[in-house]
Amino acid sequence: KNQVEQSPQSLIILEGKNCTLQCNYTVSPFSNLRWYKQDTGRGPVSLTIMTFSENTKSNGRYTATLDADTKQSSLHITASQLSDSASYICVVSANSGGSYIPTFGRGTSLIVHP
Amino acid sequence: NAGVTQTPKFQVLKTGQSMTLQCAQDMNHNSMYWYRQDPGMGLRLIYYSASEGTTDKGEVPNGYNVSRLNKREFSLRLESAAPSQTSVYFCASSEAGQGRSGELFFGEGSRLTVL
Repeated sequence: KNQVEQSPQSLIILEGKNCTLQCNYTVSPFSNLRWYKQDTGRGPVSLTIMTFSENTKSNGRYTATLDADTKQSSLHITASQLSDSASYICVVSANSGGSYIPTFGRGTSLIVHP
Repeated sequence: NAGVTQTPKFQVLKTGQSMTLQCAQDMNHNSMYWYRQDPGMGLRLIYYSASEGTTDKGEVPNGYNVSRLNKREFSLRLESAAPSQTSVYFCASSEAGQGRSGELFFGEGSRLTVL
């Protein structure tokens, strides 16, 4: 069964600090891995996409890494801001005959305090 | 662009009542999905439609029915609501398919309470 595990479940940091969120997966056949940001009361929005051949990808202060050998990904947030307070969801897609089947992690809840 | 639009945003039902959640997307996507999100459980797939005219069960389909009315619209129906169906429901669409990355675009959510 395809699974995506995220850690930690929740995280509290001070504004301006860095943090790293983790995602471990067992999804086959692997197609891509996305990190989504979900603000309170809103739908998730894609931050980054990682394919098998990519190790690192940045989107502003967000940097995602992927180790396809160990099936691990991380999302690093630099110089956190209050607006970074949200749930971050790791989603890994399998490619089944041309259809993408996403498996969701349960998310990491990040709170940034002033 | 409106993206993915869900209605209603909030609904309170009594046990046994029925209702339909509506979803429409204006991105010409082939695939549409219904998820529910509960505290500590993450997003769970209820039903999906890979293309117009097809629907398939997801992880938690019991108690729900869906209709892919056309390429734009995908509705979710609760025939006899139960308290266990209290949740936040999200509709999503994607251009998933051969050679496409499958990014999901979500609506704002519909918050349903069953008393």
